Amino acid sequence: EVQLVESGGALVQPGGSLRLSCAASGFTVSSNYMSWVRQAPGKGLEWVSIIYSGGNTYYADSVTGRFTFSRDNSKNMLYLQMNSLRTDDTGVYYCARGYSSNGGVVDYWGQGTLVTVSS
Amino acid sequence: EVVLTQSPATLSLSPGERATLSCRASQSVSTFLAWYQQKPGQAPRVIIYDASNRATGIPARFSGSGSGTDFSLTISSLEPEDFAVYYCQQRSSWYTFGQGTNLEVK
Repeated sequence: EVQLVESGGALVQPGGSLRLSCAASGFTVSSNYMSWVRQAPGKGLEWVSIIYSGGNTYYADSVTGRFTFSRDNSKNMLYLQMNSLRTDDTGVYYCARGYSSNGGVVDYWGQGTLVTVSS
Repeated sequence: EVVLTQSPATLSLSPGERATLSCRASQSVSTFLAWYQQKPGQAPRVIIYDASNRATGIPARFSGSGSGTDFSLTISSLEPEDFAVYYCQQRSSWYTFGQGTNLEVK
């Protein structure tokens, strides 16, 4: 059974840093397109970052230069390092797996972890 | 950036009725468009991908159509569990979502 479990969400001050983790089971992260998608409270969805099976990473303009998406193949884990956090980074962050044929459609989502950026 | 505009923002219907949701792209996305359903407190779930393909386990009452800039999601006869927020999403140029349509019980 495919499962994605996020952790690491917290309350952090503007300008601070946070690292989110995503534990995957039931499949191999290094063989799949994996993404982070966020949702501000009461708002819509925003694609944050994607990592291809080959290891290339891509980011939304809003987080480029501040966020880093990485994976640990030996642990089947994904990470999102978030630096220089802003209030508009607040939201639920979902770890997501893309279809094997194309990474841009999500077939499995985690339950999400809440990041709150506030002073 | 490809902007997706969904209409209407809210759709009020009764069980058994037909629902048609629209999504318009600011530029052509070919058929690289998906639809997701999200219920309160839950992660989204893919309903339709590549404009007209039903995802695994999705009932036949859901159908998608369109190409280029205009797309629609149709639910032929609403069941109580279909009332939720629906998002369209494109993968032609980066990945962006529409603002959502809230399908609510009338």
